Amino acid sequence: EAGVTQFPSHSVIEKGQTVTLRCDPISGHDNLYWYRRVMGKEIKFLLHFVKESKQDESGMPNNRFLAERTGGTYSTLKVQPAELEDSGVYFCASSQSGLSYEQYFGPGTRLTVT
Amino acid sequence: LAKTTQPISMDSYEGQEVNITCSHNNIATNDYITWYQQFPSQGPRFIIQGYKTKVTNEVASLFIPADRKSSTLSLPRVSLSDTAVYYCLVGADYSGNTPLVFGKGTRLSVIA
Repeated sequence: EAGVTQFPSHSVIEKGQTVTLRCDPISGHDNLYWYRRVMGKEIKFLLHFVKESKQDESGMPNNRFLAERTGGTYSTLKVQPAELEDSGVYFCASSQSGLSYEQYFGPGTRLTVT
Repeated sequence: LAKTTQPISMDSYEGQEVNITCSHNNIATNDYITWYQQFPSQGPRFIIQGYKTKVTNEVASLFIPADRKSSTLSLPRVSLSDTAVYYCLVGADYSGNTPLVFGKGTRLSVIA
């Protein structure tokens, strides 16, 4: 069974540019989460989808971040315009319904904003 | 959410049993204790979850005393491949859609 996949693995962009990160969860997992770790900090929650609906987006830092999960399958996280402080590793995770303590994480996308 | 305190780092020789203790003095009645493992350049991976006493699976054991103010993750006979960061998370059982809250974790280095 394929795990959670993320694309790209690494992205380097200039300040002010736009970047879109993609996450493909494990098939059949209704729950999809985005987290990020900025340099030297802990992994922080960004938001949670249940199928195509946003269940909790309390961790989204500001309105430059837009997450979507059309059709309840894959998800995208767009940063527009990117700022230097957005640099970090963005993780996606998915879990089965009712088992959100056991989340399966992808390898992450390393975003570098210069 | 209950705050957790873990050692920043630990070293161990191969073949030894490693115990990582996590303090969570203000754990709530409905909080569960969950441990994740993270290898370099990978996302965290669920290891084990428990509420009280002892839980064991194929990877580790989790010991939780009666007062639940601490917990100990036990890794039997570690190998080099167990070198990773181990996170202790405390919160509701997460079936209610509570997000995971990560601390700094414990960096375990296994040496030959």
